[in-house]
Amino acid sequence: DQQVKQNSPSLSVQEGRISILNCDYTNSMFDYFLWYKKYPAEGPTFLISISSIKDKNEDGRFTVFLNKSAKHLSLHIVPSQPGDSAVYFCAASGLTGNTGKLIFGQGTTLQVKP
Amino acid sequence: DTAVSQTPKYLVTQMGNDKSIKCEQNLGHDTMYWYKQDSKKFLKIMFSYNNKELIINETVPNRFSPKSPDKAHLNLHINSLELGDSAVYFCASSQGRGSDGYTFGSGTRLTVV
Repeated sequence: DQQVKQNSPSLSVQEGRISILNCDYTNSMFDYFLWYKKYPAEGPTFLISISSIKDKNEDGRFTVFLNKSAKHLSLHIVPSQPGDSAVYFCAASGLTGNTGKLIFGQGTTLQVKP
Repeated sequence: DTAVSQTPKYLVTQMGNDKSIKCEQNLGHDTMYWYKQDSKKFLKIMFSYNNKELIINETVPNRFSPKSPDKAHLNLHINSLELGDSAVYFCASSQGRGSDGYTFGSGTRLTVV
């Protein structure tokens, strides 16, 4: 029972273009969402997050959009750079009970071509 | 200056052995975690400790025993290793209950042969 899903295992974009990574979730109790970036042989690195009281959060080239009614979030990277090539994980957390447990998607491998 | 460090980075061992993975964080965080990334690349939480107190234990076989001697350390001991235990194990830490971003270690790749 995978509560957080990233249905695209991979994505390839040209340098300078927009990268859009998608994530769907099933549990309506989730109210905090995060994106992580992971390079090979390294641990995931926190990228950006969004609370369910917002529908957009922006940090430099990275923007996360949340559509609560559709239980969908997306990460936009503009412009994409070759250094962005990595695996991107979406994660969700339910503050109810406040256990701090993150549920991760299975990741999307982004390749940015020069 | 590594924030979350785990050792060893690679561990190859035979079935039936007992092994430990160590984790230390120098961020002053009060919550630490162990996550397992299986062959399908899913990252799943195993344990969480807050100020040395176990707060999350996710239906992990009792061959896995976490130990937190202080809030900067969370070690993972695994008894009677099985082939299915082969995975990458990540330690992480956060401040408070961790709804903000965690800081992850670089992982320990465990291979059971």
